Amino acid sequence: DAGVTQSPTHLIKTRGQQVTLRCSPKSGHDTVSWYQQALGQGPQFIFQYYEEEERQRGNFPDRFSGHQFPNYSSELNVNALLLGDSALYLCASSQGSRGDTQYFGPGTRLTVL
Amino acid sequence: AQSVAQPEDQVNVAEGNPLTVKCTYSVSGNPYLFWYVQYPNRGLQFLLKYITGDNLVKGSYGFEAEFNKSQTSFHLKKPSALVSDSALYFCAVSSGGSYIPTFGRGTSLIVHP
Repeated sequence: DAGVTQSPTHLIKTRGQQVTLRCSPKSGHDTVSWYQQALGQGPQFIFQYYEEEERQRGNFPDRFSGHQFPNYSSELNVNALLLGDSALYLCASSQGSRGDTQYFGPGTRLTVL
Repeated sequence: AQSVAQPEDQVNVAEGNPLTVKCTYSVSGNPYLFWYVQYPNRGLQFLLKYITGDNLVKGSYGFEAEFNKSQTSFHLKKPSALVSDSALYFCAVSSGGSYIPTFGRGTSLIVHP
């Protein structure tokens, strides 16, 4: 049973560029949530997708956007990258928009120079 | 608003000794409580959760946690620590309002041989 997968593993971008991160949920899960984990911090919620719609959103600017596909996989897009966007981006999947346990992928390490 | 406090940045324990990692929370309504573990450069791995029922919850790898409603705490425990338990531990809380967990800053557990 495949767990949550994310790609790429690492990414280096420069300020002002745009980036797309990808996530495939655990088998049987239909809800995907994205988190940003800065160094030395706990994960911060960005947004959650269910039934191809953004259901909830954390305190992140509109530069952060996403998408969910019919197969439940998801993308996180960040425009106009800032140095402060450097972080580990985690995808988590669960069953249903009220799924109580989220299972995390290994993350994508984004470095903005 | 919901919040989690992990008062210790680091916990040191000798192998074979019992360990406790502390967590207190604040939430409106009944809490859903979680513990996750993170190894270096990896995503978060689910350990255990409390939703309702018995205050003592048993999870993976011999870990357990005790829910204390009056003290709003959910401390993680293990009777006998292993060197391989050394990692970063995160406590998280959610509620029926949004089901989106809020994470603490994490506690680094170091088990000495």
